[in-house]
Amino acid sequence: DGGITQSPKYLFRKEGQNVTLSCEQNLNHDAMYWYRQDPGQGLRLIYYSQIVNDFQKGDIAEGYSVSREKKESFPLTVTSAQKNPTAFYLCASSVGIADITDTQYFGPGTRLTVL
Amino acid sequence: DAKTTQPNSMESNEEEPVHLPCNHSTISGTDYIHWYRQLPSQGPEYVIHGLTSNVNNRMASLAIAEDRKSSTLILHRATLRDAAVYYCILRLMNYGGSQGNLIFGKGTKLSVKP
Repeated sequence: DGGITQSPKYLFRKEGQNVTLSCEQNLNHDAMYWYRQDPGQGLRLIYYSQIVNDFQKGDIAEGYSVSREKKESFPLTVTSAQKNPTAFYLCASSVGIADITDTQYFGPGTRLTVL
Repeated sequence: DAKTTQPNSMESNEEEPVHLPCNHSTISGTDYIHWYRQLPSQGPEYVIHGLTSNVNNRMASLAIAEDRKSSTLILHRATLRDAAVYYCILRLMNYGGSQGNLIFGKGTKLSVKP
């Protein structure tokens, strides 16, 4: 089955530690995205990537970093500089963002709790 | 940024039609209207999108006002599995510094009663 996988589903970390969230897709999509969702809120864009070895900051990139070394993988690192990292993190992909009608496909999410 | 306005919550009875409204009075001529939904503790999933004409697919119908300042997502027969948060999103033609983004608001939380 084609789709997006995120691991782990739940993640606990101590304050001050960096943590990396995994996102893999086998849809052969060029574009990938990371969103953050806080309770009762909509999604906010952290980073996105249109192509391998290229990525752009979204609306709330401070305290986060990403890499895009392979087409199918777009890991997100939550650094100790992120002031309030506890949230639900969602990864998505799409064929390519040049098409305004492009549909984004989302993974199941990782719920990060910083203790 | 082009914004959408949706009611915070709505209720429906199972097997009855549901009409979810969305206002987007600042929409531009080339902005597409997208709908996604998010089931509890899951990632959002695409529902439908349109530009000017009404659209139908296996999940729902999208009715777009003639002036495009509002739209309505129609679930023809609500089931318990349709209980979710529904997001109405404008896909911007001129993305500026955030090209390709879907800008999610808080959406409408739909409850379905058996």
